[in-house]
Amino acid sequence: QKEVEQNSGPLSVPEGAIASLNCTYSDRGSQSFFWYRQYSGKSPELIMFIYSNGDKEDGRFTAQLNKASQYVSLLIRDSQPSDSATYLCAAHSGAGNMLTFGGGTRLMVKP
Amino acid sequence: GAGVSQTPSNKVTEKGKYVELRCDPISGHTALYWYRQSLGQGPEFLIYFQGTGAADDSGLPNDRFFAVRPEGSVSTLKIQRTERGDSAVYLCASSLTGQNTGELFFGEGSRLTVL
Repeated sequence: QKEVEQNSGPLSVPEGAIASLNCTYSDRGSQSFFWYRQYSGKSPELIMFIYSNGDKEDGRFTAQLNKASQYVSLLIRDSQPSDSATYLCAAHSGAGNMLTFGGGTRLMVKP
Repeated sequence: GAGVSQTPSNKVTEKGKYVELRCDPISGHTALYWYRQSLGQGPEFLIYFQGTGAADDSGLPNDRFFAVRPEGSVSTLKIQRTERGDSAVYLCASSLTGQNTGELFFGEGSRLTVL
């Protein structure tokens, strides 16, 4: 069974700090990984994707992938209260854009 | 509208009843996905359509669940003999080609409550 695991949180960080969100996956065949943000009562929206080992930066967000350790992370620099949401890690798991999602980590950024 | 549209946004039904949930994907998106999200959980895959056909229905929990997409656009998720455990938000998503771009465009979901 393909699984994606995340700490449910909540992860609480002060405004301006770095938030670090982590994810592990069980299927070594997964090649690409995605971070979605979901505000309470809203639908998930894609923030970033990563295919290659190492870091990928996009503005305040950095995704990190370590395939040997089956580990994915998302760093949010200069965290803002508007970043408070649930962050879902997902692995590409089959045909098309079929994704397997983790349970999500709830992030709270306190002013 | 330009986004994925789902109706109804909320549905309350009694145990044992039949329910239909509708999804209208973004125009031109050939791939359509149904996910189910319970409170505090991540989305759980149900079924994936490429065009009119179900490319993968391995996530449907049992034979009470069925989905169709007869003309390759709108899809309907059908749940027979609903049970209290079916209560969840049912999310529909679409993507442009069905290839691995990773970006699913989600609708706002249909919240199903089975009493």
